[in-house]
Amino acid sequence: KNQVEQSPQSLIILEGKNCTLQCNYTVSPFSNLRWYKQDTGRGPVSLTIMTFSENTKSNGRYTATLDADTKQSSLHITASQLSDSASYICVVRNYGGSQGNLIFGKGTKLSVKP
Amino acid sequence: DADVTQTPRNRITKTGKRIMLECSQTKGHDRMYWYRQDPGLGLRLIYYSFDVKDINKGEISDGYSVSRQAQAKFSLSLESAIPNQTALYFCATSSGQGAEAFFGQGTRLTVV
Repeated sequence: KNQVEQSPQSLIILEGKNCTLQCNYTVSPFSNLRWYKQDTGRGPVSLTIMTFSENTKSNGRYTATLDADTKQSSLHITASQLSDSASYICVVRNYGGSQGNLIFGKGTKLSVKP
Repeated sequence: DADVTQTPRNRITKTGKRIMLECSQTKGHDRMYWYRQDPGLGLRLIYYSFDVKDINKGEISDGYSVSRQAQAKFSLSLESAIPNQTALYFCATSSGQGAEAFFGQGTRLTVV
């Protein structure tokens, strides 16, 4: 069964600190993996996309990694800011299937405290 | 203006009532999706449509129906609302295989 598992479920860090969020998936065949940021009460917004051949991609203070062999991805946030408080959702796209091709993780809720 | 617009943003309805949630998009995308989000469960797919003549059930379609009135419009209906359909509903669009999904702002539905 195609699944996406994220850890931790929630995380509290102090402003200015770094953190890393994890995503493990069993989706096959794999197309791409995206990390989305979802502010409370709003729709998710894409941060990064990783394809099979990519290992690392950065978007400002966000850096995503992908290990296609172990089917793991991580999202590293550097020098966290209060505005980083949100849920971060790992979404894997596959070819075909009955889920419209998008398989969602349950998200990691990040709280950045001053 | 938002690229993906959902109406209403908030709605409280009574058990047994019929309710329609509407979604319109200005991105010109063929693919549209309806999801519901519950605390601790993440986003779950209700229905999706890859073009005007295509409607597909997602993993939790029971109790819901959809209508793709045009490329830009995709509506979700609850024929007879029940309390466990209380959730945050999202509409999304994408341009095709491998493309980014763009989400609306969500509709918070409460069934009492």
